[in-house]
Formats: sequence, C-alpha cells, structure tokens
Amino acid sequence: EIVLTQSPGTLSLSPGERATLSCRASQSVSSSYLAWYQQKPGQAPRLLIYGASSRATGIPDRFSGSGSGTDFTLTINRLEPEDFAVYYCQQFGSSPFTFGPGTKVDIK
Amino acid sequence: QVQLVQSGAEVKKPGASVKLSCKASGYTFTNYALHWVRQAPGQRLEWMGWINADSGNTKYSQKFQGRVTITRDTSATTAYMELSSLRSEDTAAYYCARLTAVSGTRALDSWGQGTLVTVSS
Repeated sequence: EIVLTQSPGTLSLSPGERATLSCRASQSVSSSYLAWYQQKPGQAPRLLIYGASSRATGIPDRFSGSGSGTDFTLTINRLEPEDFAVYYCQQFGSSPFTFGPGTKVDIK
Repeated sequence: QVQLVQSGAEVKKPGASVKLSCKASGYTFTNYALHWVRQAPGQRLEWMGWINADSGNTKYSQKFQGRVTITRDTSATTAYMELSSLRSEDTAAYYCARLTAVSGTRALDSWGQGTLVTVSS
C-alpha cells in the first residue's frame, strides 16, 4: 500500500499570503495519478488538481500543482478567505487508492 | 450538469448491514467508474472500492474485502454500496464519486453530498 504523508499538518496564514503544501509518497507515483482536493467543514471534497499539475474545471489559477516521483506540492498564491480549508492528496498509482492525512490551512 | 445524489442518513445497530445509493445524472452513466470513499469524524478520507459502471466489475480495498459489495443498476443510473457486519468504527460519512480519466490521468471529479451512517447500540 502506498502511504501518503502531508506536511505541515496545519498552516496558519493570512489572506493574501502564499500557501505551500507538501505530499510525499512512500513509493513513486506517476504524475498522472496524483490528485489534490479541497474540503470545507460539512462538505464533500472538491477536485482541485489532477495529473499533479492540471487544474480542474472552474478552479482559479491561484491554485497550482507540481512534483513527480514521490514529492508533490500544492501552491495557493494570494490566499482568499474561501481558501481556508483542509487539503488532501490522493494517489491512483496502485490500489488501494490512498489519501494523505490532510493539511489544514487556517486563518492566522 | 453532473450530479451524484446519495440516499439519506442511516442509523444501524452493530452487526447489521447498510445499503447506500448514489443516483447519477447529467452524463452517460456507463462511461465512468464510480468510487466509494468514507470519512470518520475528524479523520482522513478513506478509499473503499470502485465499480466499472459499464461492466459491473468491482475492486475493493483489502481492508473492506468480505464486508463491502458495490453494485449498479444501469437502467436507474444508480450505484449502491452495501457494508455488512457493522461496528462502531464504521460510523462515518460515506461518499460516492465519479472517476475522470482525462488524457490518461485519474481523479474523482464529482462527488455526492455524502451519507452519514451512525452505528450505535
């Protein structure tokens, strides 16, 4: 089973700042099979990034993804109030298609 | 627009089974796989399994093997997830989600609203 580790666990930032979130896999994952999701309290997750770096439909360009192999990054430029949420990475490289533990981005 | 509408909240006793539904609309049902993901209170998302909506083939996480069954009814454009031998640790929100495969990538691009299952004696 591929274990995904996300860091930091919590990121406290102010609106307008940049957030850099990390997702590390226990073994190499094809970039095609790495996705990022945003989840707000009481809501279902929402797809942000697929294929490690492609934005999903309707996702603002302040969200960007990068990385390969075992190290992936989600960057949120100029945080907006609606961006404060929990972010999860998921891999589809091998079953079970595991999620990371999440990074909470909260308001400083 | 793509919509996945899930059945309502359930309360079950330990040892019982629960069967949840996920009604799809806004796209060709048999062109996409559907996955099931759960989330216990305050915990991370946990992948459970998926079904090829065309063939009906399934694959489950080893963690749930033997307890979970995913099926679909193509005429009703609905997928189902049944979990048996429920225990308190199965208390969670259960989500269905559609798999997209753009240019060889994979991701869950549309999600149901979730169904809360509470297991309590």
